[in-house]
Amino acid sequence: AQTVTQSQPEMSVQEAETVTLSCTYDTSESDYYLFWYKQPPSRQMILVIRQEAYKQQNATENRFSVNFQKAAKSFSLKISDSQLGDAAMYFCAVGVNTDKLIFGTGTRLQVFP
Amino acid sequence: DAGVIQSPRHEVTEMGQEVTLRCKPISGHNSLFWYRQTMMRGLELLIYFNNNVPIDDSGMPEDRFSAKMPNASFSTLKIQPSEPRDSAVYFCASSLDKVIGYTFGSGTRLTVV
Repeated sequence: AQTVTQSQPEMSVQEAETVTLSCTYDTSESDYYLFWYKQPPSRQMILVIRQEAYKQQNATENRFSVNFQKAAKSFSLKISDSQLGDAAMYFCAVGVNTDKLIFGTGTRLQVFP
Repeated sequence: DAGVIQSPRHEVTEMGQEVTLRCKPISGHNSLFWYRQTMMRGLELLIYFNNNVPIDDSGMPEDRFSAKMPNASFSTLKIQPSEPRDSAVYFCASSLDKVIGYTFGSGTRLTVV
């Protein structure tokens, strides 16, 4: 079975600064996929970034990037140049052979002006 | 593309009543997922379908919950009879490829009084 741990219930960052959200996971599979989803107050779940485990290069999407450490089973999300609109719950998720994703408990990010 | 469409957006019902939540996945997506989100338990996978066939319903909490997918463009999640502890946000999501990830609907907030 897969598990996902987000050890930071809440984080805060000042506008324009950089913040890193932590995620660790456990799976016995060698082929899997990792995702970060954002849930703003509107409650819509939005895909932020994804990473395939067989790819060593860290994924990047504009101001969002990941630090994928496969041996450590760590998948952290870095948000650069934080904006007020980045304030949300962020969920880390892992998927293996089947289509289903297992989600972590989330990190609430606050952004201060 | 209109995305994943869920209805209703909000539902308030009395304990003991039947509740039906509806979902229209993105056209062409072959997998559909029902999740429940609560403060206590986070995002829990209830059931998922692949090509309209239920693949894993191990997350369905009890016999009061049932889900159907009669065709590729429609799914329902039914709770009968409903109880106050069923109060939660219920998400439907669909996907075409596990590598790409899910697209979520905007959720149904269910309140059972």
